Amino acid sequence: TQLLEQSPQFLSIQEGENLTVYCNSSSVFSSLQWYRQEPGEGPVLLVTVVTGGEVKKLKRLTFQFGDARKDSSLHITAAQPGDTGLYLCAGARGAGNNRKLIWGLGTSLAVNP
Amino acid sequence: GAVVSQHPSWVICKSGTSVKIECRSLDFQATTMFWYRQFPKQSLMLMATSNEGSKATYEQGVEKDKFLINHASLTLSTLTVTSAHPEDSSFYICSAPRITEAFFGQGTRLTVV
Repeated sequence: TQLLEQSPQFLSIQEGENLTVYCNSSSVFSSLQWYRQEPGEGPVLLVTVVTGGEVKKLKRLTFQFGDARKDSSLHITAAQPGDTGLYLCAGARGAGNNRKLIWGLGTSLAVNP
Repeated sequence: GAVVSQHPSWVICKSGTSVKIECRSLDFQATTMFWYRQFPKQSLMLMATSNEGSKATYEQGVEKDKFLINHASLTLSTLTVTSAHPEDSSFYICSAPRITEAFFGQGTRLTVV
């Protein structure tokens, strides 16, 4: 059972287009993180959202945490080829040594020039 | 930010041999580290949680005798793939949590021939 549904799984768009990636769950997370991963490398943290309803912006990327802390979205404005990569969301549960990240399946984004 | 170093970045080994992958937290101590396996353009699959000074916790379906984990110090965890087979070929990534975030190693591309 996938506890964190991420969609779409694959996305191919033209440079300049906007896109939104969604992560949804029926369970509450203490925080949710978005990562970007390039081939052959480990994921790199983009942002952590903690508060329900929170919105964070990172240049052309806008991240939102749902009011109930069960879902999140990543919106990219005017996508560029450099945005190409695998985007992963991960929800945190537990604390201390019992803290675990629940991963979405990932969204493979290709931005064509 | 925190740095996690994983070594080697890639390795090719013969079927039946063992391969050791190291994961080091360079500027912080990690009592817990996570080992993941990842297939191309897919999300991270948690294999096991490495606990400093105690036995690792393995996820369901992961053979603990095949994937040996040792967490001998607060900055080093190792994953040994024993008696490797071609189906073990994959991208292996470690991560170490620090406060509320997870920091990832660069990953190891294992190819078993």
